[in-house]
Amino acid sequence: GAGVSQSPSNKVTEKGKDVELRCDPISGHTALYWYRQRLGQGLEFLIYFQGNSAPDKSGLPSDRFSAERTGESVSTLTIQRTQQEDSAVYLCASSPGTLLFNEKLFFGSGTQLSVL
Amino acid sequence: GESVGLHLPTLSVQEGDNSIINCAYSNSASDYFIWYKQESGKGPQFIIDIRSNMDKRQGQRVTVLLNKTVKHLSLQIAATQPGDSAVYFCAENNAGNMLTFGGGTRLMVKP
Repeated sequence: GAGVSQSPSNKVTEKGKDVELRCDPISGHTALYWYRQRLGQGLEFLIYFQGNSAPDKSGLPSDRFSAERTGESVSTLTIQRTQQEDSAVYLCASSPGTLLFNEKLFFGSGTQLSVL
Repeated sequence: GESVGLHLPTLSVQEGDNSIINCAYSNSASDYFIWYKQESGKGPQFIIDIRSNMDKRQGQRVTVLLNKTVKHLSLQIAATQPGDSAVYFCAENNAGNMLTFGGGTRLMVKP
């Protein structure tokens, strides 16, 4: 596709349920990022994938959060046993390489997660 | 801890006026800064960037100023238009792979 695609665009779930969020990066982009954005706040880094390197998971808030990426394509962010505090917009971004070379991030439109 | 913050959460300007959005950062090791624009229901969109070896960079209707002495970043929008209404985020990178974003400023353009 032309841009970063995320699905679903909206997800409503009950507390305690597991959810899976999907991100399709721009074709050819080796780097993929997940961010969380709470209402009215900035973007909180969650996890970073670069090629076949081990992902940087330093931003994951708890062990209920995990993410996978198959090669340099689709990534899924899984939240287990969701809590109301997990309600936020989850944004995915990709870039051609790494920020070490000051490359820009291209963001998807996000998944709005609401935990009831 | 290190952080990026904004002075004004909401800025209201008259259409046609110039807008100035400010950002303070605390990580003196940061060497790359970006401004993003986020419209309602959309992901952030790149506007302009600047490296730490520069103090000014101009784009189309936008200018970013960097003052490393006081760790301050600003985004200037000339002749603000209704389409400029959005939340603006500054972000910093300190040679790592993580962008640290500020809390955002909402720009409202009055017709």
